[in-house]
Amino acid sequence: EIVLTQSPATLSLSPGERATLSCRASQSVGISLAWYQQKPGQAPRLLIYDASHRATGIPARFSGSGSGTDFTLTISSLESEDFAVYYCQQRSNWPFTFGGGTKVEIK
Amino acid sequence: QVQLVQSGAEVRKPGASVKVSCKTSGYTFTSYDINWVRQATGQGLEWMGWMNPNSGNTGYAQKFQGRVSMTRNTSISTAYMELRSLRSEDTAVYYCGRYSYGSDYWGQGTLVTVSS
Repeated sequence: EIVLTQSPATLSLSPGERATLSCRASQSVGISLAWYQQKPGQAPRLLIYDASHRATGIPARFSGSGSGTDFTLTISSLESEDFAVYYCQQRSNWPFTFGGGTKVEIK
Repeated sequence: QVQLVQSGAEVRKPGASVKVSCKTSGYTFTSYDINWVRQATGQGLEWMGWMNPNSGNTGYAQKFQGRVSMTRNTSISTAYMELRSLRSEDTAVYYCGRYSYGSDYWGQGTLVTVSS
């Protein structure tokens, strides 16, 4: 199965700062990678699909890039509601594995 | 509006089975796959499997093969996930999600507790 490694595990930033989250795959997934945001007690929320396409209703401050094995989620200027855990997921091969998550916390 | 509404919390003893439902509305049920994902307390997301509501075709993560079944009732736009031979490590919140290129709509989650 494809292993997704997210880094860093925790990112401590202030509102207004730029956040850069990484997701590395153990083998190529092409562009078949999605990013999700999850807040405590809530279901995940789809942010990005196919590496760089924003899902419906997602603000432009969220952007995704990458292909193959290296992917990045960038939040250009953190808003208070962006402090959460972020997961990547690949759909290139079954099982559609998730990364371990990156927690973005308030510094 | 699109909604996925899951059944309520369940408590089971080890060795028992649980069946979680996911009732959908606001879209054509047979037009989108359904994924099931679980999350143990304080842990990450774990993909369990996929079902095509139109054909009934399924695909399960190897970890759950032989213990899980994903089915549907198209007349009531509802998907089901049954997990058998429960053990304590199956205690988690189970989510259904409508899936195309990613899960864009999710159920609220169902807590399944396995305890003797």
